[in-house]
Amino acid sequence: NAGVTQTPKFRVLKTGQSMTLLCAQDMNHEYMYWYRQDPGMGLRLIHYSVGEGTTAKGEVPDGYNVSRLKKQNFLLGLESAAPSQTSVYFCASSYSRWDYNEQFFGPGTRLTVL
Amino acid sequence: GQQVMQIPQYQHVQEGEDFTTYCNSSTTLSNIQWYKQRPGGHPVFLIQLVKSGEVKKQKRLTFQFGEAKKNSSLHITATQTTDVGTYFCAGFMGSSNTGKLIFGQGTTLQVKP
Repeated sequence: NAGVTQTPKFRVLKTGQSMTLLCAQDMNHEYMYWYRQDPGMGLRLIHYSVGEGTTAKGEVPDGYNVSRLKKQNFLLGLESAAPSQTSVYFCASSYSRWDYNEQFFGPGTRLTVL
Repeated sequence: GQQVMQIPQYQHVQEGEDFTTYCNSSTTLSNIQWYKQRPGGHPVFLIQLVKSGEVKKQKRLTFQFGEAKKNSSLHITATQTTDVGTYFCAGFMGSSNTGKLIFGQGTTLQVKP
């Protein structure tokens, strides 16, 4: 049982480049989330999904897109990276309703945009 | 916008001293969760509080949810070096269908041996 895994662990991009972060979970969870963590800002929700084929915006969705084509995978895309997107990105999942279920976090992806 | 404020941002204690972090919301919360993140690691769920005035204990950790469900606290008795990390509260605001889980900024605890 791997839990929540994220690919890649580290990445350096130049401004304007694009990339996709992959999150996978093997716990058959319905809900999945993408957060970014910046110093002094806590965890801010970018996008989330309440089930396969669904996505919704979180607190800071601008500049990001997501897809949930398979229940176990949640992809986060940056179409044109900007230095302001330098951050640590965490994916998380929960069994069902996120108001009553703990979230399981992946190990994170450290992204630097030059 | 809706916010969950957490104080203090940093706390340095001597091993054996107690530690408390506070979480305050501008709106009533449905519930509150607490997470711990070790340096270089990812957040790990500690506990969830749902009822007004609820108090839960996990060994040396005591969690409280305020009567008005707008504030919460985490108290650690006799800190140990293994307690080092950042503690986050996360409050759920709104209905199950449209609400959001909002994280506080976190309190980073350093413990001097």
